[in-house]
Amino acid sequence: AQSVTQPDIHITVSEGASLELRCNYSYGATPYLFWYVQSPGQGLQLLLKYFSGDTLVQGIKGFEAEFKRSQSSFNLRKPSVHWSDAAEYFCAVNSGSARQLTFGSGTQLTVLP
Amino acid sequence: GAGVSQTPSNKVTEKGKYVELRCDPISGHTALYWYRQSLGQGPEFLIYFQGTGAADDSGLPNDRFFAVRPEGSVSTLKIQRTERGDSAVYLCASSQTGNSNQPQHFGDGTRLSIL
Repeated sequence: AQSVTQPDIHITVSEGASLELRCNYSYGATPYLFWYVQSPGQGLQLLLKYFSGDTLVQGIKGFEAEFKRSQSSFNLRKPSVHWSDAAEYFCAVNSGSARQLTFGSGTQLTVLP
Repeated sequence: GAGVSQTPSNKVTEKGKYVELRCDPISGHTALYWYRQSLGQGPEFLIYFQGTGAADDSGLPNDRFFAVRPEGSVSTLKIQRTERGDSAVYLCASSQTGNSNQPQHFGDGTRLSIL
């Protein structure tokens, strides 16, 4: 069965600092990987996705993520965080045979002025 | 264009009552998903529709939960004899054809509170 681990429940960074959110997955083959962001009272917005090819993928709002097969990781990064990035971030995997997404438990990002 | 629409945005009801939650997917999307998100957790899969049929309902927790999509567009999630543990945000998502490499687009959810 596929699973996703986001080891950091809460991260605090200062505005303008760099950001890395960790995501590890468990699945035998190459999965399809996604990062979503959720603001309070809102649904999930897709930031970026990885299916195949270049292991560094670019997303919206200046985010990027790198797929590392050897580490079973798909970490999300941003060079300079803005106050509006404060939200909850979810990593998700789709194995290909199952249609549904399996989500991690999320990382809450706080941005200090 | 219009995204996934869910109604109501909030629903408060008493234990034991019946509730219906509605999802209107993005026009033309054949795949529709329901997820449940408890406080402090990521969304958990409930059911997936391809067209009018439930292709995978393995995530429904018990037989009090049921969902339909009679015309292949709007879907209704139905919960009978609600329990306090059913309190959560219910999210609906749709994708164009249901292929695993397609992103799912989410609505804002229905926050269900069982008193």
